[in-house]
Amino acid sequence: EAGVAQSPRYKIIEKRQSVAFWCNPISGHATLYWYQQILGQGPKLLIQFQNNGVVDDSQLPKDRFSAERLKGVDSTLKIQPAKLEDSAVYLCASRKHATQVYNEQFFGPGTRLTVL
Amino acid sequence: QQPVQSPQAVILREGEDAVINCSSSKALYSVHWYRQKHGEAPVFLMILLKGGEQKGHEKISASFNEKKQQSSLYLTASQLSYSGTYFCGTERGGSQGNLIFGKGTKLSVKP
Repeated sequence: EAGVAQSPRYKIIEKRQSVAFWCNPISGHATLYWYQQILGQGPKLLIQFQNNGVVDDSQLPKDRFSAERLKGVDSTLKIQPAKLEDSAVYLCASRKHATQVYNEQFFGPGTRLTVL
Repeated sequence: QQPVQSPQAVILREGEDAVINCSSSKALYSVHWYRQKHGEAPVFLMILLKGGEQKGHEKISASFNEKKQQSSLYLTASQLSYSGTYFCGTERGGSQGNLIFGKGTKLSVKP
């Protein structure tokens, strides 16, 4: 079974520019998560989708971050405009269903963003 | 509330054992353990549910103390491949399946 795919793997931008990340979850996984992982820290949830609906976006900085999951499959995360403190790895994860027991989250390889 | 992991870092020789702890101040439904190697995605190790059931690796064991809201990951007879950063992710009942991850424990296994 193919894993979670993300692109690009690396991105370097100047502050105030915009950037977008793409995620393709494991086929059949209803739940999709975007995390931000700052160097030396654990992943921090930004947004959770169940199919194409948002379940939790309480920690998403909505003045600059946006995300969508069209048709309940692929998802994009956008930052506009970027700030220096947005430098991090952005991880996408998927799960068969959020509230079923014994199903783990599968993480993609991440996109490493550097904001100069 | 972010769970607290201890220790922050540990260095072992091959064959030695280690215990990593994860504590929460809130009542938990489950605890998930992941290992992340440098520059790679976190990889699932173990799920522990309230009530004591668990699912995970053959060579890694863990426990979940509901009274203390604490989970411990036991790494026995460590191998070089065990090196990495270990994260616990805690899930509360009614949280819609969201995990809150700790800051991680960096494990280095030396030959």
